Amino acid sequence: AQTVTQSQPEMSVQEAETVTLSCTYDTSESDYYLFWYKQPPSRQMILVIRQEAYKQQNATENRFSVNFQKAAKSFSLKISDSQLGDAAMYFCAYRSPNYGGSQGNLIFGKGTKLSVKP
Amino acid sequence: DSGVTQTPKHLITATGQRVTLRCSPRSGDLSVYWYQQSLDQGLQFLIQYYNGEERAKGNILERFSAQQFPDLHSELNLSSLELGDSALYFCASSPRSYNTEAFFGQGTRLTVV
Repeated sequence: AQTVTQSQPEMSVQEAETVTLSCTYDTSESDYYLFWYKQPPSRQMILVIRQEAYKQQNATENRFSVNFQKAAKSFSLKISDSQLGDAAMYFCAYRSPNYGGSQGNLIFGKGTKLSVKP
Repeated sequence: DSGVTQTPKHLITATGQRVTLRCSPRSGDLSVYWYQQSLDQGLQFLIQYYNGEERAKGNILERFSAQQFPDLHSELNLSSLELGDSALYFCASSPRSYNTEAFFGQGTRLTVV
């Protein structure tokens, strides 16, 4: 079974600085999807960024980028120019490709609570 | 706004009771997922429906059941509630069963007292 591990329960960053959140996963599949979700105090789960395992290029969405290391099974999230609104829980998630009857649900890590200091 | 609507937002009930949580997926989405978020277990997948049929099951207790109706809304039924069932219950939807992206509702906060 696939597992997702986030080893940093809490992180802190100064406003305008850069922070990197770590995520590792374990799978025997060669094709899959990885996601970072943000959960602010409003508790809404917001998709931040996604990465297809077959793509070598790291995904980027504005100030958010990932460092996807397939061989190392590592998927870290970098937040540049941190803003107060970035303060939230961040969850790393894995999804199987969902063909041939396999489940397409998300498998989440335990989350990293990010604080942003003004 | 993700377009996924969950009701109610908050629910307080006593042990042993039964409750129903409702989810309206985004317009046109056929697939609905239910997740439970608790402090000790984190975010866990419960069950998935696609176009009215159960597609996948996760860590869903026998006391819990779900269904998806012809209009595609879904309900999660929780019975014989225990204190440990207190959690945030999310519904997510996607256009197809194999779609990579799912959109989450705001969740229902269930408190069992």
